[in-house]
Amino acid sequence: DQQVKQNSPSLSVQEGRISILNCDYTNSMFDYFLWYKKYPAEGPTFLISISSIKDKNEDGRFTVFLNKSAKHLSLHIVPSQPGDSAVYFCAAKGGSQGNLIFGKGTKLSVKP
Amino acid sequence: GAGVSQSPRYKVAKRGQDVALRCDPISGHVSLFWYQQALGQGPEFLTYFQNEAQLDKSGLPSDRFFAERPEGSVSTLKIQRTQQEDSAVYLCASSLGQSAYNEQFFGPGTRLTVL
Repeated sequence: DQQVKQNSPSLSVQEGRISILNCDYTNSMFDYFLWYKKYPAEGPTFLISISSIKDKNEDGRFTVFLNKSAKHLSLHIVPSQPGDSAVYFCAAKGGSQGNLIFGKGTKLSVKP
Repeated sequence: GAGVSQSPRYKVAKRGQDVALRCDPISGHVSLFWYQQALGQGPEFLTYFQNEAQLDKSGLPSDRFFAERPEGSVSTLKIQRTQQEDSAVYLCASSLGQSAYNEQFFGPGTRLTVL
């Protein structure tokens, strides 16, 4: 029973356009959400996070939006660049629990 | 080293063999996590250490899996009598403090293939 769901296995976007990656969760105890980026043969690297007390967090080209009532978050990348091509994982944690709960990932391809 | 390192990077084992996977966390990092990533899936939590204490092992799939961190730095994940379903990438992550909200830094993983 997946607590964090990424329903789109893949996404293809043209360079310069916006990429929107979506994530849904089921556990209302989650209070912190993260996005990780993963290249082949490397470990996931932290991209951006958001606390449940916020609805938006921005860092350069990356913005994460959180809709608590819908239990939904999204990652916006503007403008998309070919180097953004990677697998993006949504993750969540709650309370004193330190481990991350990941979605299955979305493979983003940004075409020149 | 600058980041989390794991060895070996690739391991092929025959069914029934024992394997040991090593993780060298970032120096000074208190917390250490092990995750298992099956093909096409996201990482799944296995176990958590704070210094040398194993505080959570709820994610270990069976008693064939054992992890240790005897001196609070290097950690070893051991899998006894490997089965084909153990084939996965095993990721180690470390974080600086004890807070659940400290950033976790991941190693490159060990890809285990059980034949």
